Amino acid sequence: AQKITQTQPGMFVQEKEAVTLDCTYDTSDPSYGLFWYKQPSSGEMIFLIYQGSYDQQNATEGRYSLNFQKARKSANLVISASQLGDSAMYFCAMREGSGGGADGLTFGKGTHLIIQP
Amino acid sequence: DAEITQSPRHKITETGRQVTLACHQTWNHNNMFWYRQDLGHGLRLIHYSYGVHDTNKGEVSDGYSVSRSNTEDLPLTLESAASSQTSVYFCASSEEQSYNEQFFGPGTRLTVL
Repeated sequence: AQKITQTQPGMFVQEKEAVTLDCTYDTSDPSYGLFWYKQPSSGEMIFLIYQGSYDQQNATEGRYSLNFQKARKSANLVISASQLGDSAMYFCAMREGSGGGADGLTFGKGTHLIIQP
Repeated sequence: DAEITQSPRHKITETGRQVTLACHQTWNHNNMFWYRQDLGHGLRLIHYSYGVHDTNKGEVSDGYSVSRSNTEDLPLTLESAASSQTSVYFCASSEEQSYNEQFFGPGTRLTVL
């Protein structure tokens, strides 16, 4: 079974609209972290936002927020007021365990977001 | 400024050759990781290291090896390159705590003919 599922291979959104990118995860570890990364066409991986499994509040970073629904095992990324520069691949990732003993990230297959003017 | 670099950025090699991809970080991070990115698979973990002389296998470690002789470097070696190893390879590093983001290098595009 996939540990990270991103069900939207591609999305087209009008500029200035809000965008929600879906991510569901699967783990039996009570301690885990969820990450979102952006990969523009230039190829680099850019960290956007982090949510810990014990965090009570949804994470926010500027125009990015993470809609964390623990019972549903869902960690959707919300981008408010989308901009043309938001066009990119977006990856959801999970890290299981805590502290220095945690393993590397498990990534979803990504969502290709295209913002239209 | 601290950074993470990879070299070469592009490499073409032949089946059966040994190839080493370099990764160097100046963040002084203990944790370092190698991933490969293929269409339809996202990024998958190859190997990782929590410090000098520590190495661990990831999800897709077959055909790859790493060694960690200092904090800054984690070279990835393909002992006998195969066409299935044509991919984009990313190195990453992070601080020890799980809530810390991983900082990624720019990637190396490897083609095995």
